[in-house]
Amino acid sequence: GQSLEQPSEVTAVEGAIVQINCTYQTSGFYGLSWYQQHDGGAPTFLSYNALDGLEETGRFSSFLSRSDSYGYLLLQELQMKDSASYFCAGPTNYGQNFVFGPGTRLSVLP
Amino acid sequence: EAQVTQNPRYLITVTGKKLTVTCSQNMNHEYMSWYRQDPGLGLRQIYYSMNVEVTDKGDVPEGYKVSRKEKRNFPLILESPSPNQTSLYFCASSLSPQGDYEQYFGPGTRLTVT
Repeated sequence: GQSLEQPSEVTAVEGAIVQINCTYQTSGFYGLSWYQQHDGGAPTFLSYNALDGLEETGRFSSFLSRSDSYGYLLLQELQMKDSASYFCAGPTNYGQNFVFGPGTRLSVLP
Repeated sequence: EAQVTQNPRYLITVTGKKLTVTCSQNMNHEYMSWYRQDPGLGLRQIYYSMNVEVTDKGDVPEGYKVSRKEKRNFPLILESPSPNQTSLYFCASSLSPQGDYEQYFGPGTRLTVT
């Protein structure tokens, strides 16, 4: 099976950079994804890493180190609208069962 | 418009009264899932389906049933709801659980069992 751990809360100011970490334990690795969820909304896909390294999508980047079972989501030039919960996630159980971390609530202050 | 729809959006019911939450997607996705979301626990997968007539248990399947008779529909059935099933439920679909295939989520169903 797979379990993922994330910090429960992170706070930063507008314009800053914030990093949300995710560590995982898994019997098989099939890639790490990140999702964003605003209060009252549904999760939406942000990024995916299958290999080690950094994937960049605009202000958001995601990093993976398979040897360390560790990844992070990097948000740059923070905006108030980035206040949301962020989840790392990935498939397990021969790639069929999908598991989410507990989520990190990001608060962006003016 | 590509979307996942769920109904109802809100439901208040009593213990033991059978209910069904419907889920439908229009993207011809093979993979569909049901999740429940509770504070501090993230999203936990209840059941998933790799394709028509192929379903399997996720991490928290007790008290739930599903069926996949058509590719587009994946209803969640609570035969005898209990208060501990009060939660926010999401249906999701994707081409595959692996790779960079994003999961598309429905708007959610908030269920209260009294």
